[in-house]
Amino acid sequence: EAQVTQNPRYLITVTGKKLTVTCSQNMNHEYMSWYRQDPGLGLRQIYYSMNVEVTDKGDVPEGYKVSRKEKRNFPLILESPSPNQTSLYFCASSLSMGARYQPQHFGDGTRLSIL
Amino acid sequence: QQPVQSPQAVILREGEDAVINCSSSKALYSVHWYRQKHGEAPVFLMILLKGGEQKGHEKISASFNEKKQQSSLYLTASQLSYSGTYFCGTEMEANAGKSTFGDGTTLTVKP
Repeated sequence: EAQVTQNPRYLITVTGKKLTVTCSQNMNHEYMSWYRQDPGLGLRQIYYSMNVEVTDKGDVPEGYKVSRKEKRNFPLILESPSPNQTSLYFCASSLSMGARYQPQHFGDGTRLSIL
Repeated sequence: QQPVQSPQAVILREGEDAVINCSSSKALYSVHWYRQKHGEAPVFLMILLKGGEQKGHEKISASFNEKKQQSSLYLTASQLSYSGTYFCGTEMEANAGKSTFGDGTTLTVKP
C-alpha cells in the first residue's frame, strides 16, 4: 500500500531532550516536506526537500533540522525542544515538484507535547 | 505571503452549495486544495496550475483567476461527508517546493 509513515504518532517529552520524528515513504517520491499545525491554524511548512541531499527552509524552520540521505526517508530533528514546539506535525511527499506540481500525500501525523 | 481564505466557516444543509475562496497577494504558479477531517491527515482534492490546467476530484470543481490571484472551490449538492476543514495551499513560480497554506475554512454539513 502506498503510504507515508511517521513515527512516533504521539510523544510527550521534556524541554531540551533531543528527539527525532521519522518519516518514510514507499512511493519513490522525489519531494518530501514537514509541516506543523497548531489549533485553528493552517499547515506551516518547516523544511522541504526536492530530492536526496537537497533541503530548504520553509516558513518556520527555527529550532528544527532535517536530513535527506536517502530518497525514502526524511527525519525531523529537534535538537533542544521547547514548549513552543508542542504541535501536530505532518510529513508529506509528492512525485516531483519539478516540471509539474503533483499532489502531496500526507502521513497520519505526530502529536508532540513538550513540557 | 500566506493566502487568505474566506469564509472562515460555513454551515450548510445537505444538498446545498458552497464556495470557498483563496486569495494571494503574490503571483502564483499553483493552488492546491485539501480537506482535513478532525484528527486526520489532509487529503488532496484539486490542483490548479497557472495556465488553466486542473487535476482533481470528480465531484468538486475549482477555478483560478490569474489576474486576481484568487482561487475558488465549488462544492455542489453537498453531502454529510463533505464536512471538514478545507485548506488552500499556494506555490510561487520562483520558489518551487515551498508551499504556503491558508488558515482553513470549516465546512459543516447538516442533515
